[in-house]
Amino acid sequence: DAGVTQSPTHLIKTRGQQVTLRCSPKSGHDTVSWYQQALGQGPQFIFQYYEEEERQRGNFPDRFSGHQFPNYSSELNVNALLLGDSALYLCASSTFDRGSRYEQYFGPGTRLTVT
Amino acid sequence: TQLLEQSPQFLSIQEGENLTVYCNSSSVFSSLQWYRQEPGEGPVLLVTVVTGGEVKKLKRLTFQFGDARKDSSLHITAAQPGDTGLYLCASDNYGQNFVFGPGTRLSVLP
Repeated sequence: DAGVTQSPTHLIKTRGQQVTLRCSPKSGHDTVSWYQQALGQGPQFIFQYYEEEERQRGNFPDRFSGHQFPNYSSELNVNALLLGDSALYLCASSTFDRGSRYEQYFGPGTRLTVT
Repeated sequence: TQLLEQSPQFLSIQEGENLTVYCNSSSVFSSLQWYRQEPGEGPVLLVTVVTGGEVKKLKRLTFQFGDARKDSSLHITAAQPGDTGLYLCASDNYGQNFVFGPGTRLSVLP
């Protein structure tokens, strides 16, 4: 049973460019959340997708957008990259099953470096 | 939005020592999760506590949820180098979204 997978593992972009990160959730999970983790800090919630719609959003600008596909996989898009967008981007999957609503499983992350 | 604080920020101890790290909030937790994160990897869920006063044990790790559900602690007995990592607490913020604390970075020296 594959866990949460993310691609690519590492990415280097230039200021002003756009980037797309991808996530496949754990088997049986229908909800995907995205987090940004700056060096030395805890993860910060970006947004959450369920049933192909954005359900919740953290305090991030509109440059950050996402999508969820019918197979529950998800993409995170960041436009007009800034140096401050350099971080580890984490995807977490969970399910709205009430028996396990507190549990989310994280992927290994994508390390984005903006130069 | 609920804010979580963790202490200490850094902790460096010798193998075999005991330690406790803390997670606090000014508001009541709906639930609390503890994660461990190793460099270059995503956080791994250790435990979820929901009921005030709840105590859960995971081998040498003991997790306690405060009676008022505003604080939690993680106690490690006889720490080993494999316990090294970033320990994060998180709350599901009443089902809205998960809020993480800044973490405690633990280093266990052999």
